[in-house]
Amino acid sequence: SAVISQKPSRDICQRGTSLTIQCQVDSQVTMMFWYRQQPGQSLTLIATANQGSEATYESGFVIDKFPISRPNLTFSTLTVSNMSPEDSSIYLCSVEVETQYFGPGTRLLVL
Amino acid sequence: EDQVTQSPEALRLQEGESSSLNCSYTVSGLRGLFWYRQDPGKGPEFLFTLYSAGEEKEKERLKATLTKKESFLHITAPKPEDSATYLCAVQAASGSRLTFGEGTQLTVNP
Repeated sequence: SAVISQKPSRDICQRGTSLTIQCQVDSQVTMMFWYRQQPGQSLTLIATANQGSEATYESGFVIDKFPISRPNLTFSTLTVSNMSPEDSSIYLCSVEVETQYFGPGTRLLVL
Repeated sequence: EDQVTQSPEALRLQEGESSSLNCSYTVSGLRGLFWYRQDPGKGPEFLFTLYSAGEEKEKERLKATLTKKESFLHITAPKPEDSATYLCAVQAASGSRLTFGEGTQLTVNP
């Protein structure tokens, strides 16, 4: 299994600003993932972040809006750029260690 | 395109009243089918992975089964603490991404 922490746990931001979310895992992992869960909906994969390579984005998500860093095997960041109220969601980090484990999520409200 | 459909959307049970949740899926080569539990304000908690038709896994009051087209999560004699949203997801053989269903919101009344 894996223990995953995220910072911040929640935030309220003004439109047009950016927020960087951190994800820390307690063991070295190759694959990390970022998901979005919009209010009342299920999870949608934003991108896959492998250490040492560029992140791979899913259809509908672009690097300019959601830049990702993966500096080592235990850490990743997701930035939500130029935010609008439509970006209000829970952002979840996950890692694959035999199966996929999820962090506690970051609740983002954009006003 | 991989698809996952869960039913019902919401389910209310009395404590001790057993029932099943359904997850129908289409995927181009199944690598694994996953069940998660999600409590309000928290991230999904891993429950089971099923890999092939006919496989079954159990954990306390939960039992997951798998066929070539669907999976069931059976809940036996549920307790109020089993109240949560249960998510089903599939992973195709071609990659690592999970495709999630919309979830079933389970409420168990005492």
